[in-house]
Amino acid sequence: QKEVEQNSGPLSVPEGAIASLNCTYSDRVSQSFFWYRQYSGKSPELIMSIYSNGDKEDGRFTAQLNKASQYVSLLIRDSQPSDSATYLCAVRSGSEKLVFGKGMKLTVNP
Amino acid sequence: DAGITQSPRYKITETGRQVTLMCHQTWSHSYMFWYRQDLGHGLRLIYYSAAADITDKGEVPDGYVVSRSKTENFPLTLESATRSQTSVYFCASSESRTTVQYFGPGTRLLVL
Repeated sequence: QKEVEQNSGPLSVPEGAIASLNCTYSDRVSQSFFWYRQYSGKSPELIMSIYSNGDKEDGRFTAQLNKASQYVSLLIRDSQPSDSATYLCAVRSGSEKLVFGKGMKLTVNP
Repeated sequence: DAGITQSPRYKITETGRQVTLMCHQTWSHSYMFWYRQDLGHGLRLIYYSAAADITDKGEVPDGYVVSRSKTENFPLTLESATRSQTSVYFCASSESRTTVQYFGPGTRLLVL
């Protein structure tokens, strides 16, 4: 059973701080990693994808992947109240199917 | 550009009734997926389809039926709804097996 684990949270940070979201996965052959953001009552929307070890930056978002440790993280710099949402980690392991973590709820306090 | 749409957005039904949730995408994506999202379980794959007339089971297929006669449509049918099928259902699509999945707006289903 392929598993994706996220800290259940919730995580609360002040506006302007760095929010760090973490995810571990069980399948060593996992190849593709995604972070989705889901606002309350809405559908998941992709914010980052990462396929190689290291960091990938997109604006205020940085995804970090460490395949040896089976760990992927998402950093949100200069957090804004509009970043308050649930963040879903998803992992693809050699098939068309994604396995999702249960999500981490982030609250950014003004 | 409509993208991916789902209908109905909200549905209340009774135990034992048949319910069909619709999913339509305008991107001509090959792959389509049905997920359900429940508190404490996250997103779980019900069924997916690689192309028209090709479907396969996901993690939680029991009680559900799918079909895909046209590339753009992927309906999900609950043949005899049960209370445990009360959930939020999301349809998603991707261009290929390795590309990003994009989600529809979801259908909130309540089975009484």
